[in-house]
Amino acid sequence: GAVVSQHPSRVICKSGTSVKIECRSLDFQATTMFWYRQFPKKSLMLMATSNEGSKATYEQGVEKDKFLINHASLTLSTLTVTSAHPEDSSFYICSARDRVRGNTEAFFGQGTRLTVV
Amino acid sequence: DQQVKQNSPSLSVQEGRISILNCDYTNSMFDYFLWYKKYPAEGPTFLISISSIKDKNEDGRFTVFLNKSAKHLSLHIVPSQPGDSAVYFCAASAKAGNNRKLIWGLGTSLAVNP
Repeated sequence: GAVVSQHPSRVICKSGTSVKIECRSLDFQATTMFWYRQFPKKSLMLMATSNEGSKATYEQGVEKDKFLINHASLTLSTLTVTSAHPEDSSFYICSARDRVRGNTEAFFGQGTRLTVV
Repeated sequence: DQQVKQNSPSLSVQEGRISILNCDYTNSMFDYFLWYKKYPAEGPTFLISISSIKDKNEDGRFTVFLNKSAKHLSLHIVPSQPGDSAVYFCAASAKAGNNRKLIWGLGTSLAVNP
């Protein structure tokens, strides 16, 4: 299957700082990337959808100024958690759709465990 | 409002037997369904999918059945192996403009006992 690499896998940061998470499609071009958040024992919550070269579409209740998404190329999307607070601690996962394979299956990164202290 | 429901939070099966994971949905606009497997602290891994024009799709030990009239799908794993122990998510999608969002169930934790 297609490979999506997410980095870092774990990050601990101080409250008030910003953290950037990268999501790369390694062997395909991803026209669309998705960012999810997963709370303990909960399902995946879609935060935003980003298309290469355009602004991300955020889900209701997700602050766009807090979670900055950039999808500058067909292989890279970044999520920046700005002015992080302890309540932002969570597991963040990205996924990407392969332009060639169509717009159905999405391939996921390994996830990033963010802990804000 | 949960559009995709996995009513069993957990399932325990003996190695070699069949595992059946169920999923119900409410939105009749869904036309594509997927199953993902997830280990702790990892991203989900795509397993198998089915289009709404089919009622069955098989890939090795994994078979997905779709009953559109009942808005129900199930994932069968046979024979089950200890390495299949993970959380299984059902997801559904409907075309929305140029993008397809995946709507996720809450997952079923499968334990396959040796």
